[in-house]
Amino acid sequence: KQEVTQIPAALSVPEGENLVLNCSFTDSAIYNLQWFRQDPGKGLTSLLLIQSSQREQTSGRLNASLDKSSGRSTLYIAASQPGDSATYLCAVYSGGGADGLTFGKGTHLIIQP
Amino acid sequence: ETGVTQSPTHLIKTRGQQVTLRCSSQSGHNTVSWYQQALGQGPQFIFQYYREEENGRGNFPPRFSGLQFPNYSSELNVNALELDDSALYLCASSKLGTDTQYFGPGTRLTVL
Repeated sequence: KQEVTQIPAALSVPEGENLVLNCSFTDSAIYNLQWFRQDPGKGLTSLLLIQSSQREQTSGRLNASLDKSSGRSTLYIAASQPGDSATYLCAVYSGGGADGLTFGKGTHLIIQP
Repeated sequence: ETGVTQSPTHLIKTRGQQVTLRCSSQSGHNTVSWYQQALGQGPQFIFQYYREEENGRGNFPPRFSGLQFPNYSSELNVNALELDDSALYLCASSKLGTDTQYFGPGTRLTVL
């Protein structure tokens, strides 16, 4: 059974810092990995999707990497801003409708002004 | 792309009751998935519908059931509500064969 772990569970940093969020998964046979953002009490917004054949994806100040063989992904946020404060969720898709996405519990990020 | 809507926003029920949650998928999306997110946890996959039939299910009991309609709207039905069913229920739509799922804002269900 696929399990996804995110470290740290919570993170508070001053505005302007670069930061890294970590995600690990137990079964390397994944189809893709996604990073989502969730604001309090809200739905999920997809940030980046990395296919299993890719090593990284970039969008603006965000960069996500994937090391499928070691079961790890990182989300790098450059020059953090207070508006980046949210919970960041990592999810893997193993293929086939039977499983859906398997999520980690998320990293709660606070950027101090 | 955005455009997945869910109703109602919030709902309060008592233990033993039944509830129906609704989702309207984004235009052109033929697959809808439902997830349950308990407080402080990541979402958990309940089931997925494609062409009005369930084509995948997570580890949820049969009292969780669903429907998908020809216009790609969808319902999640939960019978015999339990206190542990209190959660945010998220709907996600996608085109079969594509990778990105687009999530709605969710319905917050409280069971007393």
